[in-house]
Amino acid sequence: DAMVIQNPRYQVTQFGKPVTLSCSQTLNHNVMYWYQQKSSQAPKLLFHYYDKDFNNEADTPDNFQSRRPNTSFCFLDIRSPGLGDAAMYLCATSRTSGRVNEQFFGPGTRLTVL
Amino acid sequence: GENVEQHPSTLSVQEGDSAVIKCTYSDSASNYFPWYKQELGKGPQLIIDIRSNVGEKKDQRIAVTLNKTAKHFSLHITETQPEDSAVYFCAATPDNYGQNFVFGPGTRLSVLP
Repeated sequence: DAMVIQNPRYQVTQFGKPVTLSCSQTLNHNVMYWYQQKSSQAPKLLFHYYDKDFNNEADTPDNFQSRRPNTSFCFLDIRSPGLGDAAMYLCATSRTSGRVNEQFFGPGTRLTVL
Repeated sequence: GENVEQHPSTLSVQEGDSAVIKCTYSDSASNYFPWYKQELGKGPQLIIDIRSNVGEKKDQRIAVTLNKTAKHFSLHITETQPEDSAVYFCAATPDNYGQNFVFGPGTRLSVLP
């Protein structure tokens, strides 16, 4: 089945130690998103890629970076995680042809910062 | 920008009863309204959506209604089952490819056996 895959599902890091989360998709969608979701809150968009074009949300901290080496993969880099960055990180995809707007989410990576 | 409100924040129903969750939005340019179900520890799953050119859409026990004039849309779940227990998020987007989803704050639905 076509899907959005996130690895790892659980990640523990230390305060200030860089961490990378990964996302891959078999849907062949040209748009990929990264969301941060804290407990009992709605997902908050950090940034998205429209094909290779990177689009950063205005209030996304500089501590968060992203890479998209090809259509299928996207990475979230947190350069110096703080305690406030502990959250679920969700990857999503959509396409700009056919049934546009629909976003498909991966299972998420739960990040713990010690 | 768009603002989405969602009510109630928590909802408990008896198994077999109906559940209704309501959302309002502010931007009249919004034209796509999805509903997501999120189970504990999992990513949101799209369960139904509606576009601004229709007023109602149904998929088995789930239906969504849209009133563009009043800027509100609702999720209806009939014959609820314990596995319907989850957090439900509505969203609205005015953009061409959905790049600016604005989510509601969520509703925690509990279906009591």
